[in-house]
Amino acid sequence: GENVEQHPSTLSVQEGDSAVIKCTYSDSASNYFPWYKQELGKGPQLIIDIRSNVGEKKDQRIAVTLNKTAKHFSLHITETQPEDSAVYFCAASKEDKLSFGAGTTVTVRA
Amino acid sequence: NAGVMQNPRHLVRRRGQEARLRCSPMKGHSHVYWYRQLPEEGLKFMVYLQKENIIDESGMPKERFSAEFPKEGPSILRIQQVVRGDSAAYFCASSPRSGRRTGELFFGEGSRLTVL
Repeated sequence: GENVEQHPSTLSVQEGDSAVIKCTYSDSASNYFPWYKQELGKGPQLIIDIRSNVGEKKDQRIAVTLNKTAKHFSLHITETQPEDSAVYFCAASKEDKLSFGAGTTVTVRA
Repeated sequence: NAGVMQNPRHLVRRRGQEARLRCSPMKGHSHVYWYRQLPEEGLKFMVYLQKENIIDESGMPKERFSAEFPKEGPSILRIQQVVRGDSAAYFCASSPRSGRRTGELFFGEGSRLTVL
């Protein structure tokens, strides 16, 4: 099955700086790569996703890049704000079920 | 439009009891997924169901765990004879998509099971 690894496990950034989270996947057939944000006591919420026919996607302060050859994808958050503090999960899928990374706890220091 | 509804939000059981977790998908969604999240870990896939059918249960433990999604009513994840290792947050997600093209999953707030 698919194996997704995510780094770093924790990330502390100064407000206004950028945050980068990296993930690798094992199954070259995977073609869908979403990122979820989970706040304390809540369920995960989709923040951005990318499909394998696209190399990069941006939505305001959030961007995702995908390198299919190397089987890795990254989340970039620019101009971080305190409300960006949360746990972020990457995931990969080729059919009907998502395989998640272990998560990155992001703390934005004011 | 209500989101994915899970109940109970918190459940405490003693070892050997049964736990039943319910999930009502978003309106119009016919695909339900259950994931388990241990403390400070990612979400682990358990089972994928459509109405009256189990599509993929490759993540379900072989014993004590079962899931259903009846024609009427919510999806239910049932854990019999719970043990302390079953303590976790159980998340349900739903999707409107059919076929093999994966789409966005909408997650509920989770049910947090504590086994004493």
